[in-house]
Amino acid sequence: QKEVEQNSGPLSVPEGAIASLNCTYSDRGSQSFFWYRQYSGKSPELIMFIYSNGDKEDGRFTAQLNKASQYVSLLIRDSQPSDSATYLCAAEARTSYDKVIFGPGTSLSVIP
Amino acid sequence: EPEVTQTPSHQVTQMGQEVILRCVPISNHLYFYWYRQILGQKVEFLVSFYNNEISEKSEIFDDQFSVERPDGSNFTLKIRSTKLEDSAMYFCASRQGTNQPQHFGDGTRLSIL
Repeated sequence: QKEVEQNSGPLSVPEGAIASLNCTYSDRGSQSFFWYRQYSGKSPELIMFIYSNGDKEDGRFTAQLNKASQYVSLLIRDSQPSDSATYLCAAEARTSYDKVIFGPGTSLSVIP
Repeated sequence: EPEVTQTPSHQVTQMGQEVILRCVPISNHLYFYWYRQILGQKVEFLVSFYNNEISEKSEIFDDQFSVERPDGSNFTLKIRSTKLEDSAMYFCASRQGTNQPQHFGDGTRLSIL
């Protein structure tokens, strides 16, 4: 069973701090990784995607991938109250390139 | 920016009735998906569709479910005889090609009474 694991949280950080969200995956064949943000009752919204080992930065967001450790993370710098949401980590396997497997999500609360 | 659109936003149906959820994927996308999310649970894959056929389906996607792309734009999910446990948010997603991210519609909330 291919799994994506995340701490469910809630993770609370003060406004302006760095929020660090972590994810591990079980399928070594996974090639592509995605971070989605989901507000309560809304659909997942793509934040970042990463394919290569290392860091990828986009504005206040940095995704980090370590395939050897099967670990993906998302850093949010200068956290804002509007960042309060559930963050979904997702992995796509090369052998099953169609399907994206989602983790359960980490709830982030940014305290003003 | 182009987006995936889903209708209706909320569907209420009696148990045992058929329901059709509709999606219009982004126009140049080639891969189409349905996911569902039961309240408080994670997003679960249902089915993927490429080149006018199902490419993969999950255990959830049993004989009660079917998908169609009846024309060049719509992508539908049909549940033939709904059960109470089918109550969930159903998300349609599409993507342009492999190694491209999937983009999600706003979802249809399905409530089975």
